[in-house]
Amino acid sequence: AQKVTQAQTEISVVEKEDVTLDCVYETRDTTYYLFWYKQPPSGELVFLIRRNSFDEQNEISGRYSWNFQKSTSSFNFTITASQVVDSAVYFCALSEANRDDKIIFGKGTRLHILP
Amino acid sequence: NAGVMQNPRHLVRRRGQEARLRCSPMKGHSHVYWYRQLPEEGLKFMVYLQKENIIDESGMPKERFSAEFPKEGPSILRIQQVVRGDSAAYFCASSPRRTGALTGELFFGEGSRLTVL
Repeated sequence: AQKVTQAQTEISVVEKEDVTLDCVYETRDTTYYLFWYKQPPSGELVFLIRRNSFDEQNEISGRYSWNFQKSTSSFNFTITASQVVDSAVYFCALSEANRDDKIIFGKGTRLHILP
Repeated sequence: NAGVMQNPRHLVRRRGQEARLRCSPMKGHSHVYWYRQLPEEGLKFMVYLQKENIIDESGMPKERFSAEFPKEGPSILRIQQVVRGDSAAYFCASSPRRTGALTGELFFGEGSRLTVL
């Protein structure tokens, strides 16, 4: 069963618009972590954020913000005032305490920021 | 401090040849993970190794694929008799501790891109 779902395969927005990337996860563990990674065209993976299951506080880092809602099993990522450099594939991921030797990735959302 | 080093960055092989991908973890890291990214897909876990031991290979195809992490030297992911479906980006990650994959204390290399002709 797929445990991390990123329903948006591809999104295009015009520069300076806000954009939200959705992530829905599935787990039976009470202890788990959620992550977002960015993969720019160059191909490397850039770690963006980690949240643990006991911390539902939303987080803001510059133009990036994350909304973690356990009630809906979602961990959405919003980019405010998008820039062309934000163009990348974004992956949501999950790790579970009972399976602590792997991170499970969603299929990613390809984000195009148009100038 | 050097990050996780993977080489080669790009590898081209013909069907039936062998591919060897190398991963040097960050200094002091004894836990290594290999992931595969097929085109337009997310990363899929393949194998988790500690020095000289395979801990979890549940994501490895049963045939043609093997991995090792010797006491000295880099971790090696070996693919024998490659087929076109093996074309993918292979990422290595390292961690200083057992729970690295849980807590996200996982550092990824830049990946090795294998193309099978």
